[in-house]
Formats: sequence, structure tokens, C-alpha cells
Amino acid sequence: QKEVEQNSGPLSVPEGAIASLNCTYSDRGSQSFFWYRQYSGKSPELIMFIYSNGDKEDGRFTAQLNKASQYVSLLIRDSQPSDSATYLCAVRGTGGFKTIFGAGTRLFVKA
Amino acid sequence: GAGVSQSPSNKVTEKGKDVELRCDPISGHTALYWYRQSLGQGLEFLIYFQGNSAPDKSGLPSDRFSAERTGGSVSTLTIQRTQQEDSAVYLCASTRTGPVEKLFFGSGTQLSVL
Repeated sequence: QKEVEQNSGPLSVPEGAIASLNCTYSDRGSQSFFWYRQYSGKSPELIMFIYSNGDKEDGRFTAQLNKASQYVSLLIRDSQPSDSATYLCAVRGTGGFKTIFGAGTRLFVKA
Repeated sequence: GAGVSQSPSNKVTEKGKDVELRCDPISGHTALYWYRQSLGQGLEFLIYFQGNSAPDKSGLPSDRFSAERTGGSVSTLTIQRTQQEDSAVYLCASTRTGPVEKLFFGSGTQLSVL
């Protein structure tokens, strides 16, 4: 079992729709969770982080965390073509406290 | 510096040669990571530094790979006797130490082994 798992996609949504990206993790003691966005040919950039159960909203982005289910998600409301990118879920676990990334989900927002 | 700086941006080498990749983190960032990303794949963890020490080297693929960090700043990733499967983008990231580590990435080094 991979430490951080994501559906590789691609996920395709129409402009203006809600995009829902999901991630599961195996280390039950993990404390902090991140979503990074990576445009093609570019480096990842942090867009959201969360460490408490529940929802955290920032503009059009909402991160959701359920530690009991070892599940974290990212919702993008009013999706725009500029949101088309790969979204990487990252988890900082208890094994050496290093940050581990999932394989990423490719998102396409159709105009 | 203003951001994480990596050099070279591109490196083409012949199979069997050694290469050195350099990372200059953001000033004041005590933690530094090296990741590897193959085409269309996610980020593969290689090694993590806290200051000059590496508490976790578990991701290094083989003993051909080594890394060091001096003065709590610049880090060098060395790959000896390169193989074609080493071809990838090598990304460096730095962060302040704390309960929530927000990683700032460099632009990466594209390594091509012919």
C-alpha cells in the first residue's frame, strides 16, 4: 500500500463546476496535510494546508480532513480553465516527520 | 535569497559519469528536501535534512546516490556512475521547521542520462 494515494485522473469538469479531488493516507499518526498545484513544466506550489478535522476554506478552495477515515479532499468551486493542472496531495507523517507526496491528479477544466 | 535556487537547470551526461546537483535554500529555512519526479509521475522522496544532518535517507534509490548539506544552507546531491533510469527532474524544497512545514520548491534540475 502506498503511503499517500490519489486517483491519477484525468478529471475533467466544465468551467464553473465544482472539482473534487481526493486523497487517502496510510500513516494514522499523520498530523498535517497539504495540497500543491503543479502546472505542466513547473514546480509545485502550495495552495492549501489543513491539520484539524473538518473544513478549511480559502477563496474558491476548500480542504476537508477526516482523520478517522484517513481521508483528505480538495474542492475547487467555480472552476476556471486556469485551474487546469496536476494537484498533489502531501502528508507529513510520523515516520521521520518527512513530507510524502501522492502521485497527483490531473485536472482539466473545459471552457 | 528570494527563492530556492537550483543549478544547473539542465544537465545532459553520459551513462557512467558522475553528476552533482546543487540547491541553495531560502535564507533561514532549516529544513531541506530532495525529491525526484519522472515524466508524468508524482514526487519521489529522496532525502530530508534538518540543519546539516539527514535524519531520513530512506528514499535514496541506491548507494550511487548521496547528499550533503554544509553550513545549514547549500545542499549537493551527487549521483555516481549515472544510469539511464536516473533521468528525471530533481526538485529541491526548503521550509522553516515547525508543526506545519510549507515547502517552497526550486525550479528543478532536468537530468538526462544518454
